[in-house]
Formats: sequence, C-alpha cells, structure tokens
Amino acid sequence: EAGVAQSPRYKIIEKRQSVAFWCNPISGHATLYWYQQILGQGPKLLIQFQNNGVVDDSQLPKDRFSAERLKGVDSTLKIQPAKLEDSAVYLCASSSSRVPPTDTQYFGPGTRLTVL
Amino acid sequence: LAKTTQPISMDSYEGQEVNITCSHNNIATNDYITWYQQFPSQGPRFIIQGYKTKVTNEVASLFIPADRKSSTLSLPRVSLSDTAVYYCLVGDLRDSWGKLQFGAGTQVVVTP
Repeated sequence: EAGVAQSPRYKIIEKRQSVAFWCNPISGHATLYWYQQILGQGPKLLIQFQNNGVVDDSQLPKDRFSAERLKGVDSTLKIQPAKLEDSAVYLCASSSSRVPPTDTQYFGPGTRLTVL
Repeated sequence: LAKTTQPISMDSYEGQEVNITCSHNNIATNDYITWYQQFPSQGPRFIIQGYKTKVTNEVASLFIPADRKSSTLSLPRVSLSDTAVYYCLVGDLRDSWGKLQFGAGTQVVVTP
C-alpha cells in the first residue's frame, strides 16, 4: 500500500513570498490533516478535512494560510505571505475514519520550509 | 483535553528494554492512550494504542494501571534503529484524530 505522498520535500523562500505544498493521501482515506511541526516541538494541527469539507481549522492562521482539498483527494496548503516564524516542517496525514480507534493515522514525510 | 507529561529524553544501550512513562492525571472516562514514534526527517508513525490494562503488538507493549493516570510504553531489546522521539497522546474516543495533541515527546537515544 502506497503511503502519504508530499511534495516538495524541501523549500527555501524569502519572507513575504508565497509557497504551496501538495499532499496525496492514501487511496480511499476520507480524512486528511495538515500539521505544522516547529523544530523541537510536536506536530500541531492546522486543518482537518473530511472528504472535501473542512472539519477543523481553528488553529489555521487564516490571514496568511489557506488549504483546499478539491474532489476529496489531493490537498494543497498555501502560505501567502510567509513570515520567518513559518519556518517548520509541514506534515500531511490521512486516515480512513475520523474517529479512532477504528483506524490509524498515517503521516507523510513532510515538507521542510525555511523562510529567510 | 488531558495534559500529558513525559521525560524529555532517555538514553539506552542496544539490547536493553526501554520503558517510557507518561503521566496523565486528569484523564477522562472516554479518553484512550496512543503512542507515536518519529524518526528524523519522517512523519510520526502510530505504534500502539490502549484504554486499560495491557496491549502488546509486534513493536511495543503498553501498560496502563487501573487508575489510568499514567501509562508506560515498553520497547523490548532496543536496537540503534529505535532511536527516535516518542509521543504520548491522550484523547476522547468520540473525537477525531485531529483532536489529539502532541507534546514535545521523549527523545530516546540508543547507543552500541
């Protein structure tokens, strides 16, 4: 079974530029998550989708971050404009069910963003 | 959400058993306990989950006492490849995966 795919793996931009990350979840997984992981900390949920609808975006900085999941499959996360404090690893995860413990949550390798 | 406390780091030698204890004094009736493992440059990986007593799988064992105020992840006979950060998460059975909050985790370093 193919895992969660993310691209790019690394990205370096200057502050105030925009950037986009892409995620392809495991086939058939209805729930998709984007996390932000700052160095030395655990992942923090930014947004959760159920199919193509948003379930939870309470921690998404909506003035600069946006995400979409068209057709309930792939998803993109965008930052515009980027700030220095956005330097982090952005992780995508998916699960077949919203509610544990019926299934586990699978994470992709992440995209490491450096904002200069 | 139940707050969790776990050691910042632990060191071990190859072949030893590593036990990581997580405290969750205000765990609620519907909360369950989940552990993730994260290697450098990878996303976290689910390793084990339990509600009470003992759970064992091919990777680890999870011990949960009757009062459920703590839990212990046991990694038998660790190898160098078990060097990773281990996260303890506590969450409601009725909530989604997204409601589980990651702390800073425990950095386990295994040396020869």
